[in-house]
Amino acid sequence: EAEVAQSPRYKITEKSQAVAFWCDPISGHATLYWYRQILGQGPELLVQFQDESVVDDSQLPKDRFSAERLKGVDSTLKIQPAELGDSAMYLCASSLNSWSYEQYFGPGTRLTVT
Amino acid sequence: AQSVAQPEDQVNVAEGNPLTVKCTYSVSGNPYLFWYVQYPNRGLQFLLKYITGDNLVKGSYGFEAEFNKSQTSFHLKKPSALVSDSALYFCAVRDRNSGNTPLVFGKGTRLSVIA
Repeated sequence: EAEVAQSPRYKITEKSQAVAFWCDPISGHATLYWYRQILGQGPELLVQFQDESVVDDSQLPKDRFSAERLKGVDSTLKIQPAELGDSAMYLCASSLNSWSYEQYFGPGTRLTVT
Repeated sequence: AQSVAQPEDQVNVAEGNPLTVKCTYSVSGNPYLFWYVQYPNRGLQFLLKYITGDNLVKGSYGFEAEFNKSQTSFHLKKPSALVSDSALYFCAVRDRNSGNTPLVFGKGTRLSVIA
């Protein structure tokens, strides 16, 4: 069964350092999402891509976060500089297209900022 | 703006007993509703959805949910709980009348099934 891949699974970094996460969606899925899940809360959308274009980044803290999906396949989410409050689970999800009802989630990257 | 409320942080149930995990929602139009489950150190797994039609929706692993428009609820149910059902459950909503709106999740309910 096809799955969304994410790496690394765990990342510990010091504040003010740069960190990057990678996501490879299910083959053929045009829509890719990055979510942040703070402990004890539900996932919150950071950015949504349709192919290589950003369609929603209204909740992305653009002063320190960036995301790209250059060839419309895999994607990278970067944080620079990391802050203590960025400690969270970062989840990637994909769907066939933006109107698809079901999103398929990867295992996530747990980030700890010290 | 759309929102989801899961009023219980934790639900405890004995194995073999029925379980209910509550969810209420708020959207300006008509909703698409979803339940996801998250096991430790794993991503979210899709359980079931309500799009249109029959208010009772059946999903994976014997779970079902009932859409109640008058009460704006979409409670998750299972007739007989298993220890392996112990996990974190998220309800989510999307407003079908508002274009490409994002999925909004509740804060989650931790289900503990005791043998």
